[in-house]
Amino acid sequence: ETGVTQTPRHLVMGMTNKKSLKCEQHLGHNAMYWYKQSAKKPLELMFVYNFKEQTENNSVPSRFSPECPNSSHLFLHLHTLQPEDSALYLCASSQGDGLAGGETQYFGPGTRLLVL
Amino acid sequence: AQKVTQAQTEISVVEKEDVTLDCVYETRDTTYYLFWYKQPPSGELVFLIRRNSFDEQNEISGRYSWNFQKSTSSFNFTITASQVVDSAVYFCALSAQTGANNLFFGTGTRLTVIP
Repeated sequence: ETGVTQTPRHLVMGMTNKKSLKCEQHLGHNAMYWYKQSAKKPLELMFVYNFKEQTENNSVPSRFSPECPNSSHLFLHLHTLQPEDSALYLCASSQGDGLAGGETQYFGPGTRLLVL
Repeated sequence: AQKVTQAQTEISVVEKEDVTLDCVYETRDTTYYLFWYKQPPSGELVFLIRRNSFDEQNEISGRYSWNFQKSTSSFNFTITASQVVDSAVYFCALSAQTGANNLFFGTGTRLTVIP
């Protein structure tokens, strides 16, 4: 089952590059999320979008720029990243509006990013 | 503030053994939700279960069972008769009623089932 898809699956970029991660959900959900998973650290929520509107920005550096053109697509634009930004970036979606806790989130396979 | 602790970093068992993965949580909210996810080597987090804070009934789904105890703030996960396909990293997570739908994850337990 491929309810939430992410491309690319792997990405290597230099610190001066600009790249974008793409997420698409086929579940008819209203909220979408970006998480960062670093080695030996818990998953960290980065952004929440509800019906295309950003409702949460968890103090993420401006070198990460999200975009949500519609409720099915979510992008994460990357520019001038640092080596410590290397991680697995996971996208998720939930049926509700993402404004209150308790909604089950369904995750994609992630994009493994390496910044050189 | 919400916090989830999974003290077991790695566990190895031999196939067909039972194994319990521990999860302890902290929250000041009276209404909250607990989750377990499985992350196989492919990377995708697979949803396993969601429980709310008012439902302390234990749940069984096939070889999986969950023991929720508010008195000890624990939500432990047991796999009975483990199989090689159970090898993965398992995450416990907490979401409070108030605020955005933020899942607070533990650091995960890597389970290896040896054939």
